[in-house]
Amino acid sequence: EAGVAQSPRYKIIEKRQSVAFWCNPISGHATLYWYQQILGQGPKLLIQFQNNGVVDDSQLPKDRFSAERLKGVDSTLKIQPAKLEDSAVYLCASSLTVGGGAFFGPGTRLTVL
Amino acid sequence: AQSVTQLDSHVSVSEGTPVLLRCNYSSSYSPSLFWYVQHPNKGLQLLLKYTSAATLVKGINGFEAEFKKSETSFHLTKPSAHMSDAAEYFCVVSYSGGGADGLTFGKGTHLIIQP
Repeated sequence: EAGVAQSPRYKIIEKRQSVAFWCNPISGHATLYWYQQILGQGPKLLIQFQNNGVVDDSQLPKDRFSAERLKGVDSTLKIQPAKLEDSAVYLCASSLTVGGGAFFGPGTRLTVL
Repeated sequence: AQSVTQLDSHVSVSEGTPVLLRCNYSSSYSPSLFWYVQHPNKGLQLLLKYTSAATLVKGINGFEAEFKKSETSFHLTKPSAHMSDAAEYFCVVSYSGGGADGLTFGKGTHLIIQP
């Protein structure tokens, strides 16, 4: 069974530029999450989708971050414009059922200069 | 509101000795609890989960954890440490409310295995 796929694996941008990350969850998983993991910290939930609807985006900085999952399968997370403090690993995860635990992708390491 | 506290930022043990990683949780609801492991430059891997069935949960690689409601704890143990266990371990709590179950991570415990 294929795992959660993410691309790109690494991205370096200048502050104020825009960037987008892509995630393809495990086939059949209705729940998709985006997490931000700053170096030395635990991952922090940014947004959770159930199929193509948002169920939790309370910690998403909506002035610069946006995410979509239009067809209820793959998802895109965008940052526009990026700030230095956005440097982190962005993790995508998916789950078959709510409350069943999640499977994580390898992450995208973003460096903002 | 829910939160999780990992009581040790670093734990160092000798190979072949027992491992204990401590975790306390706070949740207004009956929680689901998980332990994840993150090896250097690798993705997060689910070790085990508790979802209101048996209080002693067995996971992969010989790890297990015991849910103690009276102590609000979910400590991770392994009888005998192996060099390959060196990694970052995260205790995670979630609850299902309104379809959202956003996993709340602890700050992590770095496990060091001495030869």
